[in-house]
Amino acid sequence: GNSVTQMEGPVTLSEEAFLTINCTYTATGYPSLFWYVQYPGEGLQLLLKATKADDKGSNKGFEATYRKETTSFHLEKGSVQVSDSAVYFCALSERSGGYNKLIFGAGTRLAVHP
Amino acid sequence: NAGVTQTPKFRVLKTGQSMTLLCAQDMNHEYMYWYRQDPGMGLRLIHYSVGEGTTAKGEVPDGYNVSRLKKQNFLLGLESAAPSQTSVYFCASSSDPTPADTQYFGPGTRLTVL
Repeated sequence: GNSVTQMEGPVTLSEEAFLTINCTYTATGYPSLFWYVQYPGEGLQLLLKATKADDKGSNKGFEATYRKETTSFHLEKGSVQVSDSAVYFCALSERSGGYNKLIFGAGTRLAVHP
Repeated sequence: NAGVTQTPKFRVLKTGQSMTLLCAQDMNHEYMYWYRQDPGMGLRLIHYSVGEGTTAKGEVPDGYNVSRLKKQNFLLGLESAAPSQTSVYFCASSSDPTPADTQYFGPGTRLTVL
């Protein structure tokens, strides 16, 4: 079945460092791809998404490009801040039984220090 | 705009006790979902609903029941709690039946079963 694999954490960075969190997927067809973020003590919220190959999703300085040839959707940010400390989930969406099934990766914890 | 709300936020149960988790959304969404989040496993779908009066099983439905009597509410029940049901439970809702659908999550309920 379809699946999402993302790099294990925790990832620890200093403020203003460059961030990459790797995400690869296995899917039949053409799923939509998402990054969700979970700040401490909160629920998940959508960070960005891409719905077809070569699309780039972006939000709050984060970017990810849907790469069909490498089945990847890596998350990047040029200069992280302490406030970016959170758990990041890569996910894909597939149509299943009349609804859109979200399949999540295990999550990557990011800790940014001043 | 409250979005998706969940009650309670925390609960401790003894093995064999029952409880109901309440999810409410004020966005007039048709689709609602219950997930559980366990360390290192991302989120897994327990049950979902594609509209008022409908429910269906997700990936890990055993030990849980749900009801969607009103469009805005989605209840998750544990009839006889087990320690394996210790987890963080998230409710989500969405409106768009396409794979680009964004799901909106509540803040979560942390459940401990002793």
